[in-house]
Amino acid sequence: DTAVSQTPKYLVTQMGNDKSIKCEQNLGHDTMYWYKQDSKKFLKIMFSYNNKELIINETVPNRFSPKSPDKAHLNLHINSLELGDSAVYFCASRGDSPSEQFFGPGTRLTVL
Amino acid sequence: QKEVEQDPGPLSVPEGAIVSLNCTYSNSAFQYFMWYRQYSRKGPELLMYTYSSGNKEDGRFTAQVDKSSKYISLFIRDSQPSDSATYLCAMTSGGSNYKLTFGKGTLLTVNP
Repeated sequence: DTAVSQTPKYLVTQMGNDKSIKCEQNLGHDTMYWYKQDSKKFLKIMFSYNNKELIINETVPNRFSPKSPDKAHLNLHINSLELGDSAVYFCASRGDSPSEQFFGPGTRLTVL
Repeated sequence: QKEVEQDPGPLSVPEGAIVSLNCTYSNSAFQYFMWYRQYSRKGPELLMYTYSSGNKEDGRFTAQVDKSSKYISLFIRDSQPSDSATYLCAMTSGGSNYKLTFGKGTLLTVNP
């Protein structure tokens, strides 16, 4: 039974397109995150939501817009995709303790 | 200076060797320290978690935190080929956001 799931697993698209990535967690956690991991494996936080409220918004282009319809779901919509957006995007959810942060399997985005 | 520095390796050791992985950091507010293991094309999974200074042992893994030197370590005893992965250190100051700051990760290969 998957704790944090993401769809799609792979996404290949052309520059300029708009795409969405979905994330769901069944752990009952209040806090969810989006991270971006570049080709050098550097993992950087993008956004965090707590119970549907945006609490962390790092320096991310406006083309990226997260949406949390409920506390179990956090989606990421990307407008006007650019080559530099190619990366693996990880969703994560966290319980009450920092040790309870669980990552999804990742979405590998390739922009051509 | 980056907030968290980690030697990216790669590190290659023979099976049975003791492995030492390290991170340094500059933010003295960090109080929670974690090590994540990431297998190729998978999401990071929490391996060890330490609050403040001290040591923590779990099987073949030992995590050490020296807050006075702003230095954390992960030791792997009797390393196995299945330990081959990227190891990421992560830390946070806590607070309501528990925003994690990651090191760049060290790629470890354990050769049979």
